Amino acid sequence: NAGVTQTPKFQVLKTGQSMTLQCAQDMNHEYMSWYRQDPGMGLRLIHYSVGAGITDQGEVPNGYNVSRSTTEDFPLRLLSAAPSQTSVYFCASSGGPGTQYFGPGTRLTVL
Amino acid sequence: AQSVTQPDIHITVSEGASLELRCNYSYGATPYLFWYVQSPGQGLQLLLKYFSGDTLVQGIKGFEAEFKRSQSSFNLRKPSVHWSDAAEYFCAVGEETRGNEKLTFGTGTRLTIIP
Repeated sequence: NAGVTQTPKFQVLKTGQSMTLQCAQDMNHEYMSWYRQDPGMGLRLIHYSVGAGITDQGEVPNGYNVSRSTTEDFPLRLLSAAPSQTSVYFCASSGGPGTQYFGPGTRLTVL
Repeated sequence: AQSVTQPDIHITVSEGASLELRCNYSYGATPYLFWYVQSPGQGLQLLLKYFSGDTLVQGIKGFEAEFKRSQSSFNLRKPSVHWSDAAEYFCAVGEETRGNEKLTFGTGTRLTIIP
């Protein structure tokens, strides 16, 4: 039981490049979410999903796409990276109220 | 919209001293409230949570928090801190969404422990 896994751990992109941050969980959780963490701003919700095929926007969705084709995976796509997207990204999954488990994070730098 | 305020950006406490981290929230209904801890370079770990019932909540690592509806507060306390408690602490409020909750986090309080 690996919990919530995220890949890669670190990534450097150039402005305009695209990439996908991977998130997977093996707890059969319906609810998954993506947050970004910036200094002095805490964590902010980007997108979330309440089950396969269902996604919705959070507080800061612009510049990010998500899809949920399986219960296990919830990838986050940056279509055209911008320096403002330099951040640490956390994926989380939840099996019910008060049970959110966070992954170890992906540190992204956009030059 | 829900919001969370952590008024203290950075707190320094001597090892063995007591600790209180402040958290104020804004939410229309009865809130789900959480405290998370993040060690450097790590993900977030849940310390404790409040949904309903007893307003004094016990968590892991000797932490507790008290929900005070009249003050819209959910302050975190520990009677005697250890050097290993040095970390960043986040208060969060959850909005119920189809059996789970969307979390809104405060900006965090960084805790430094001095010998």
